[in-house]
Amino acid sequence: DAKTTQPTSMDCAEGRAANLPCNHSTISGNEYVYWYRQIHSQGPQYIIHGLKNNETNEMASLIITEDRKSSTLILPHATLRDTAVYYCIVRPYNTDKLIFGTGTRLQVFP
Amino acid sequence: GAGVSQSPRYKVAKRGQDVALRCDPISGHVSLFWYQQALGQGPEFLTYFQNEAQLDKSGLPSDRFFAERPEGSVSTLKIQRTQQEDSAVYLCASSLGTSGGATYEQYFGPGTRLTVT
Repeated sequence: DAKTTQPTSMDCAEGRAANLPCNHSTISGNEYVYWYRQIHSQGPQYIIHGLKNNETNEMASLIITEDRKSSTLILPHATLRDTAVYYCIVRPYNTDKLIFGTGTRLQVFP
Repeated sequence: GAGVSQSPRYKVAKRGQDVALRCDPISGHVSLFWYQQALGQGPEFLTYFQNEAQLDKSGLPSDRFFAERPEGSVSTLKIQRTQQEDSAVYLCASSLGTSGGATYEQYFGPGTRLTVT
């Protein structure tokens, strides 16, 4: 299974863009990149996923490098409610389960 | 509509007791997952159902852990003879299933915090 590497923690000022990096250098061609986040004392929440192309939805944008070895989750205008642990996950092609790492703890400050 | 619900939200068990944790998935969701989350760690996969079929139970840590979903809807995770190392938050998630190579997103419940004393 492809392993992901994320910084342990990051800070971001409210209203600024939060750029969360993820390395997945062993990713296979048919494996998807998923991002989830977990706000304190809640279950994880889906944010976005992608295969090769960049993706955008109402929550965030996902930028995947051309070689697919890394990606960046962008929260365009971070708010205090975006404070959470963010998980980058590479899902194996032949399974539906998610393999979480330890994630990045994002602290948004006023 | 309602999200994934789990009960109880908190459970304290004495070592050696059996516990049963319930998950009510979103109506119509085919897939159901159980995860275990220790303090300060990311969730770890336990087992997965597609309708009533348990397709993957590779993450269950021992034969004391048992999960079922007899009618393809509500699921129960049972832990027999609980040990202190079983203390964790148990998360349930459901999804619409799989479409081609991508899976629909998983919707998580709030979890059950199990404390074994």
